[in-house]
Amino acid sequence: DGGITQSPKYLFRKEGQNVTLSCEQNLNHDAMYWYRQDPGQGLRLIYYSQIVNDFQKGDIAEGYSVSREKKESFPLTVTSAQKNPTAFYLCASSGSGSSTDTQYFGPGTRLTVL
Amino acid sequence: EDQVTQSPEALRLQEGESSSLNCSYTVSGLRGLFWYRQDPGKGPEFLFTLYSAGEEKEKERLKATLTKKESFLHITAPKPEDSATYLCAVQAMDSGYALNFGKGTSLLVTP
Repeated sequence: DGGITQSPKYLFRKEGQNVTLSCEQNLNHDAMYWYRQDPGQGLRLIYYSQIVNDFQKGDIAEGYSVSREKKESFPLTVTSAQKNPTAFYLCASSGSGSSTDTQYFGPGTRLTVL
Repeated sequence: EDQVTQSPEALRLQEGESSSLNCSYTVSGLRGLFWYRQDPGKGPEFLFTLYSAGEEKEKERLKATLTKKESFLHITAPKPEDSATYLCAVQAMDSGYALNFGKGTSLLVTP
């Protein structure tokens, strides 16, 4: 089945720890994205990547880092510098890299800081 | 500044009671408007993309329309399985790949 997978589904982090969220897609999409969703707020863009080995900051990139070494994978690291990391994290991808392509989402990872 | 406002925040309908959800937007130039459905604890599921005023798209009991200032998601004779949060997002001409999301409308359809 083609799609986007995210792991883990639930993640718990202690104060001061870095954690990495996985996102993999087998849709042969060029572009990939990370969003954050908080209760009562719209989705906010953290980082996006249009091609391998290239990525750009979104609206709320502070405290996060990404890499894009393979077309299929776009992991997100939540660093200890992110002051309020508890949220639902969503990965998305879109087809040819055209900005008009529809973005399709994965199932999400819920991160909780203990 | 680009803005997306969805109304109402929450809507409760009886099965079969048709209604509409609203998405008002202000952007310097619209590249596309997207509708998604999101179930609790899951990722958004794509429904429609609209590109120009006057465009309409349909899927089962859902119909999306677009004007220069707003989009409507019409739900005809809803069923309980249509209960979800519906998200609207706009993409501006000068925003590159960024989608600007509204806060969503939470729809509950009761039997």
